[in-house]
Amino acid sequence: AQSVTQLDSQVPVFEEAPVELRCNYSSSVSVYLFWYVQYPNQGLQLLLKYLSGSTLVKGINGFEAEFNKSQTSFHLRKPSVHISDTAEYFCAVTPTGFQKLVFGTGTRLLVSP
Amino acid sequence: NAGVTQTPKFQVLKTGQSMTLQCAQDMNHNSMYWYRQDPGMGLRLIYYSASEGTTDKGEVPNGYNVSRLNKREFSLRLESAAPSQTSVYFCASSEWRGEEKLFFGSGTQLSVL
Repeated sequence: AQSVTQLDSQVPVFEEAPVELRCNYSSSVSVYLFWYVQYPNQGLQLLLKYLSGSTLVKGINGFEAEFNKSQTSFHLRKPSVHISDTAEYFCAVTPTGFQKLVFGTGTRLLVSP
Repeated sequence: NAGVTQTPKFQVLKTGQSMTLQCAQDMNHNSMYWYRQDPGMGLRLIYYSASEGTTDKGEVPNGYNVSRLNKREFSLRLESAAPSQTSVYFCASSEWRGEEKLFFGSGTQLSVL
């Protein structure tokens, strides 16, 4: 079975500062990895995904993530955050060729002026 | 572009009552999912339907039933609601394989008293 660990439940940061949200996964088979964002009172939206190829994946809103197979990590980064990035971020994993996405517990990013 | 539509948006039930959460998508997607979101636990998969005519259990299926009525619609039924089922429920859909992104509805906030 696959699992995802998001080590930080909440990350406070000042506007224009860089941020990294951590995600580690566990799986005995090849996986696809995703980051989703949830703005208040909304459903989730896809930020970016890693399927294969380049380990650095760029997504929407200036976010990027790096797949590290040896560390089994898929950390999300942004060099300069905005107030509007305040949201909850979920890392997710699924075995290749399957349809069952397993989510982490989420990290709440709080951006203050 | 409606995407994934869930009804109702809010519901309050008494213990033992039954209800059905409705979900419809207009993107001609093959796969549909029901998740529940609880604080500190992320999203957990209740049931999913890989294609029309099939349904499978997810991580937390107990106390729920589903029906894939047709390609567009996937309903979730609580036969005898319990306080432990107080949660926010999200329906989602995707094309077919795991590498495709999930499209989420805006959620149903359910309280069981």
